[in-house]
This record gives sequence, structure tokens and C-alpha cells, in this order.
Amino acid sequence: SALTQPPSASGSPGQSVTISCTGTSSDVGGYNYVSWYQHHPGKVPKLMIYEVTERPSGVPDRFFGSKSGNTASLTVSGLQAEDEGDYYCSSYAGSNIFVFGTGTKVTVL
Amino acid sequence: EVQLVESGGGLVQPGRSLRLSCTASGFNFNDHAMHWVRQVPGKGLEWVSFISWNSATIGYADSVRGRFTISRDNAKNSLYLQMNSLRVEDTALYYCAKEQAGPTRVTTGFDYWGQGTLVTVSS
Repeated sequence: SALTQPPSASGSPGQSVTISCTGTSSDVGGYNYVSWYQHHPGKVPKLMIYEVTERPSGVPDRFFGSKSGNTASLTVSGLQAEDEGDYYCSSYAGSNIFVFGTGTKVTVL
Repeated sequence: EVQLVESGGGLVQPGRSLRLSCTASGFNFNDHAMHWVRQVPGKGLEWVSFISWNSATIGYADSVRGRFTISRDNAKNSLYLQMNSLRVEDTALYYCAKEQAGPTRVTTGFDYWGQGTLVTVSS
């Protein structure tokens, strides 16, 4: 089953927003293989975080990943207009299976 | 520059078949696992299938297992998805995505994505 994310999140420029991603002990809780993707309409998804906390080169350190138990989180601090978009978590679920989250639309107010 | 270009999408009737292709360039295709991910227009991302660098390991989402077959040809830098017994609910934009991790790692995320190819299943 898809990982559970809140449908929406919002914040004013400069503020922080945190998105949760809840799974089970068979996926999020069982592996440190959680990734986060930013998806702007009409563009391709962009990898923002991998292995729970790691940032690919070029991703600002305003993006921070964490995990506690079966729930992973993405925090975006110092919100900027370009951070607006859809965010998806993803986790390895064992046996060569992967699962995405339901997606969260982030709005910068 | 890494490029992934999907092709093969189109309009197909329920129950019929379609084969998607993804041509890769700009990286050592042999060294990376690959994925197919789909998105129903206006909906979320859904992981579809995974294939390891050497085709030894393969995985499928429950929604497509038994109907879809992933394969790759490293000599041609190409990834494929054979889709049989298509259903209306398979209608989506299908992306191929490169696994960032090398052969010795499980996964470190999907770092490059193609633009996608649209599959429409309708009578």
C-alpha cells in the first residue's frame, strides 16, 4: 500500500514546513532507504533526499530528512517560492519492491 | 548529460498489449538498476517495476505482477516494459528512472527521470 502523506502543507516565505510519510515496519520502519522527490507540474520528479537524510549535490541544505519508527519526515526551512510543488516520499519495502507516498502539495503563501 | 527517452506509448484497447522502451545515454547504463514509475494524470506517483544492472533481480508492484515484464539490453542501453492484459486503470504517464546507486548498493533514490510516455487504455 502507498505510504501515507498529508494532502497539503503550506507556509509563508522564510518559514518552515514539515511533511510526514507514514508506512509500516515492512517499508519505512524496516529500512533506511527513504527518498523524497519534488515534482513541479509539467516537469520530471527531482530527487531531494535519499537514504533518509542524504542530499544529492545541488540540493540546498534547507531540505532536511529524518525518520522515527515507521514515519519519515521532510522539513523545508526558509521556504522560497520555488519550493512550491508536489512532494513524494518513497521507500524500499524489501524483496525488490518499492513504494511511493500519496503525495503532498506544498503551497508557499 | 544523462538522458532517458521513453517511447512506445499510445492508445490501446483493454486486454491488448503494449511495449514501452527507454533509451539511456550519458552514463554507464551497465552499472545502474532501472525503474518504471507511472502517474495517472492528476494523481500521484506509483512505482511499477525494478530491474538490477545485470537483470538478475527484478521486482513488480502487486498491481502489475503477472501482466507486465521488465527487461533490459545493456548492449543497446535500453530498458523495456512489456505490458500485457492492459486494463483501463493502467492508463498513465510512464516514466523510466535511473537508480542512483551502483551495483553494490540496494538503492539511493532515482536520480534521473525521462519525460514519460503516455499510455491510454480505452475501448
